[in-house]
Amino acid sequence: AQSVTQLGSHVSVSEGALVLLRCNYSSSVPPYLFWYVQYPNQGLQLLLKYTSAATLVKGINGFEAEFKKSETSFHLTKPSAHMSDAAEYFCAVSESGSGTYKYIFGTGTRLKVLA
Amino acid sequence: GAGVSQSPSNKVTEKGKDVELRCDPISGHTALYWYRQSLGQGLEFLIYFQGNSAPDKSGLPSDRFSAERTGGSVSTLTIQRTQQEDSAVYLCASSRTSGGVWGELFFGEGSRLTVL
Repeated sequence: AQSVTQLGSHVSVSEGALVLLRCNYSSSVPPYLFWYVQYPNQGLQLLLKYTSAATLVKGINGFEAEFKKSETSFHLTKPSAHMSDAAEYFCAVSESGSGTYKYIFGTGTRLKVLA
Repeated sequence: GAGVSQSPSNKVTEKGKDVELRCDPISGHTALYWYRQSLGQGLEFLIYFQGNSAPDKSGLPSDRFSAERTGGSVSTLTIQRTQQEDSAVYLCASSRTSGGVWGELFFGEGSRLTVL
């Protein structure tokens, strides 16, 4: 069964600093991987997704993530944090080719951006 | 409507009562998901409907929880004999995902359930 581990339930960075949110997955088949973002008092929205094409995936708002099979990781990065990036970020995995499209989410990482 | 609609947005109930939460997915979306969001628990998968296939109920925490999807559209999540630990935000999502085509999950605003 697939699973996702997000290291760090809370991450704080200074405005302009690098953002790195960690996600490791477990899957018995090639995974599809996703990052979703939840801004305060809003619903979740897709940030980016990996579906077996390029291993470096670019998303909205300057975020990107790299799929590393050897490390079973899909960490989210942004070169320079902005105050508007403060939100909760969720990593999710789904198992391609298994006939099911169930998405399993991690416990989330709350990003705080300091002025 | 254009998005996933959930009702009620807020529900306060007494322990032991039954509650029903409704989800109206985006028209044409074949997949529908229910998740539970609690502090520190992230998004907990509950149940997943895909077209006319039997639902994947593997995430339902107990037999007090059930869900149905009528006519491949609207879904109702029912919690019987509610307990205080059922207090959470219940999220519904839908997508076009089917037949090997992966669609984005679109989430509703959620139904916040408080069990007193």
